[in-house]
Amino acid sequence: GDSVTQMEGPVTLSEEAFLTINCTYTATGYPSLFWYVQYPGEGLQLLLKATKADDKGSNKGFEATYRKETTSFHLEKGSVQVSDSAVYFCALSHAGGTSYGKLTFGQGTILTVHP
Amino acid sequence: DAGVIQSPRHEVTEMGQEVTLRCKPISGHDYLFWYRQTMMRGLELLIYFNNNVPIDDSGMPEDRFSAKMPNASFSTLKIQPSEPRDSAVYFCASSPSFGQTEQFFGPGTRLTVL
Repeated sequence: GDSVTQMEGPVTLSEEAFLTINCTYTATGYPSLFWYVQYPGEGLQLLLKATKADDKGSNKGFEATYRKETTSFHLEKGSVQVSDSAVYFCALSHAGGTSYGKLTFGQGTILTVHP
Repeated sequence: DAGVIQSPRHEVTEMGQEVTLRCKPISGHDYLFWYRQTMMRGLELLIYFNNNVPIDDSGMPEDRFSAKMPNASFSTLKIQPSEPRDSAVYFCASSPSFGQTEQFFGPGTRLTVL
């Protein structure tokens, strides 16, 4: 079955540091890939997505590139802010078949950014 | 546009009591999902519906849990009887039927069973 593996956290950085959160997946076919973010006390929000190989999703300074050859979708940001402190989830979904719409999540990575 | 609405936001109950969580999906979305989030197990999909019909309930932990979707704008997740190990944050999410697989999450219901 499908699975998503994220780097273990928590990740602690100073403001303006470079961020990478690794994500690899196992799936058949060509899933869509997502990064969701969960701020304290809130539900998950879509941060960015990519629907085919070599696509780059980007939003709020975050980027991730769909790498089919390495089955990866690593999240990066060049300069983090305190307000980026949150839990980040990598996820995949299939656009068709019996699993349509069903998201498979990684375990989440806690990011804390200090001033 | 209003997002996914969940109620209550917080629920504290005693073991053995019935608990009902409610969700209103985004208008026009045909898929509705119920998740449970705990520190130990992370995010777990409990059940999801398409056009008000349950499609996959394999994530429902046991018979104490049940979910219904009587119409396109309302769903409930019921736990009867509740147990302390049911304490968690329960999320509802919805998504459109075609062309996108993004899910939109509600703010969650934090359930504490004493």
